[in-house]
Amino acid sequence: AQSVTQLGSHVSVSEGALVLLRCNYSSSVPPYLFWYVQYPNQGLQLLLKYTTGATLVKGINGFEAEFKKSETSFHLTKPSAHMSDAAEYFCAVSETGFQKLVFGTGTRLLVSP
Amino acid sequence: NAGVTQTPKFRILKIGQSMTLQCAQDMNHNYMYWYRQDPGMGLKLIYYSVGAGITDKGEVPNGYNVSRSTTEDFPLRLELAAPSQTSVYFCASKHTQRGANNSPLHFGNGTRLTVT
Repeated sequence: AQSVTQLGSHVSVSEGALVLLRCNYSSSVPPYLFWYVQYPNQGLQLLLKYTTGATLVKGINGFEAEFKKSETSFHLTKPSAHMSDAAEYFCAVSETGFQKLVFGTGTRLLVSP
Repeated sequence: NAGVTQTPKFRILKIGQSMTLQCAQDMNHNYMYWYRQDPGMGLKLIYYSVGAGITDKGEVPNGYNVSRSTTEDFPLRLELAAPSQTSVYFCASKHTQRGANNSPLHFGNGTRLTVT
């Protein structure tokens, strides 16, 4: 069965610092992997996705993630945090042939001036 | 485009009351989903539908019912509300062709439900 683990329910960074949000997945077949962002009182929006091909995926707002099969990881990074990045981030996994997305428990990113 | 529209935005129910959460999408998506979001728990799938007339249970279907009579609408029904159903409910949709599972979900803005 597919599952996702997000390490750290809260991550705090200073503005301009590196953002690193961790995601590890479990899947019996090659997975599709997604990162979503949720701003207060809104639904989730897609940041980026990995399907096949290049393992470094670039998304919106300067975020990127690298698929590492050997580590079963899909960590999200951004070189320089901005105040507007403060939000909750969800990693999700979907297996080929299945139409259901399984979400992690989320990581709230706090950005201080 | 309106995308995925959920109504109402907020609702307070008494224990034992019933209600229907509405969800409509105007993107002609074939797949639709209902999730609930609880603090620290992420999103849990309640029900989903792969097309009009076809629905299936997700991880946490107990206490809920759905129907899909049209492509556009996917209402979620709570028959006997319980405090455990206090949550934020999200509807989502996506378009998927056979064998392709990498389409992103499009989410509504949620319905915040409190049962007291």
